[in-house]
Amino acid sequence: DVKVTQSSRYLVKRTGEKVFLECVQDMDHENMFWYRQDPGLGLRLIYFSYDVKMKEKGDIPEGYSVSREKKERFSLILESASTNQTSMYLCASSGQFSNQPQHFGDGTRLSIL
Amino acid sequence: DQQVKQNSPSLSVQEGRISILNCDYTNSMFDYFLWYKKYPAEGPTFLISISSIKDKNEDGRFTVFLNKSAKHLSLHIVPSQPGDSAVYFCAARPLNAGKSTFGDGTTLTVKP
Repeated sequence: DVKVTQSSRYLVKRTGEKVFLECVQDMDHENMFWYRQDPGLGLRLIYFSYDVKMKEKGDIPEGYSVSREKKERFSLILESASTNQTSMYLCASSGQFSNQPQHFGDGTRLSIL
Repeated sequence: DQQVKQNSPSLSVQEGRISILNCDYTNSMFDYFLWYKKYPAEGPTFLISISSIKDKNEDGRFTVFLNKSAKHLSLHIVPSQPGDSAVYFCAARPLNAGKSTFGDGTTLTVKP
């Protein structure tokens, strides 16, 4: 079974802090994704990566950056956290073929005070 | 421009009855469609998918129907069980694309 592990289930940070959310997958997947989920807005893609050191902006990349130095690890960085980044963050991974589903972690509930 | 729409935010059905969740899309380049289920405090899990070359795919109690001309797909759950109560997301992607576009989700409640 694919395992996608997010480093924290709950996180509380202060406005202006630099925040790191970590995600690790154990299935040697090429693709990794970061989403945020807000009530009524579904899953919105922040960034995704299709290979080590490769990244592409998703629908809402403003205020975020990502890092993929190793194939199994994909980090989301909030450069200067703001209250409107309070949300549920979900990491996912998938194989390289388009008929392969994404496998999600259990999410990080991030609160910015 | 929302390319994948789930117009019903919520649906309530009686245990044993059929649940029908709907999804519409606008991008004619979408080639592969997936449904995910999400319980509170957990990540979404893959449920069932369908390729654009098919119009139906069945897996146990779950069937997905695709109407390409109407750009519409639906998920049927028969019979519905209380454990099916969750948020269901529809997703779509073009051929050879790694990323999917998700709908906003439909919250299904199955009453005992």
